[in-house]
Amino acid sequence: DVKVTQSSRYLVKRTGEKVFLECVQDMDHENMFWYRQDPGLGLRLIYFSYDVKMKEKGDIPEGYSVSREKKERFSLILESASTNQTSMYLCASRQPGQGLQETQYFGPGTRLLVL
Amino acid sequence: GDSVTQMEGPVTLSEEAFLTINCTYTATGYPSLFWYVQYPGEGLQLLLKATKADDKGSNKGFEATYRKETTSFHLEKGSVQVSDSAVYFCALSSVEYGNKLVFGAGTILRVKS
Repeated sequence: DVKVTQSSRYLVKRTGEKVFLECVQDMDHENMFWYRQDPGLGLRLIYFSYDVKMKEKGDIPEGYSVSREKKERFSLILESASTNQTSMYLCASRQPGQGLQETQYFGPGTRLLVL
Repeated sequence: GDSVTQMEGPVTLSEEAFLTINCTYTATGYPSLFWYVQYPGEGLQLLLKATKADDKGSNKGFEATYRKETTSFHLEKGSVQVSDSAVYFCALSSVEYGNKLVFGAGTILRVKS
């Protein structure tokens, strides 16, 4: 059974802190993604990675960075947390193959509150 | 750019009622279309998908047909259950957007017993 895990379900941090969100997948997938989910906005892509040590900016990368040192792990870093980064963060992975139709598999999400 | 528009929720239905959640899209090419579902406290999981015009995706009693002429992919179910209460996301994937997913805003469905 496919599995994407995220290090925390809930996090509370203070403004200015450096925050690490970890995601691990056990499916040997090449592609991994970080989204944030906000009411009325759906999911928006922050960063993605096609393979180890590769990263690409998504639609809203400002204030975030990522790291992919191993294939199974994709980390999202908030360099200096701000209150407008309070959100639900979702990680996903996918194995590319046939172009448009590969399924992305999602983790359970991390709900981050920045005070 | 590519985009997805869903009907706003929440949608509240009684058990065994008929469900429709509207989804329309804008894309320059020929996207694949998806419905994802998010149950309370969980991540998203794929519900169904369709990869070309007139394809019908189906799963767990839900159906959606890829309508190119109306650029729509409406989700339907003939008889909803309380366990269907969730957030439903319509999404597309297109070559023009690098095969990444573009999501709609999501529609909350609440089913009452």
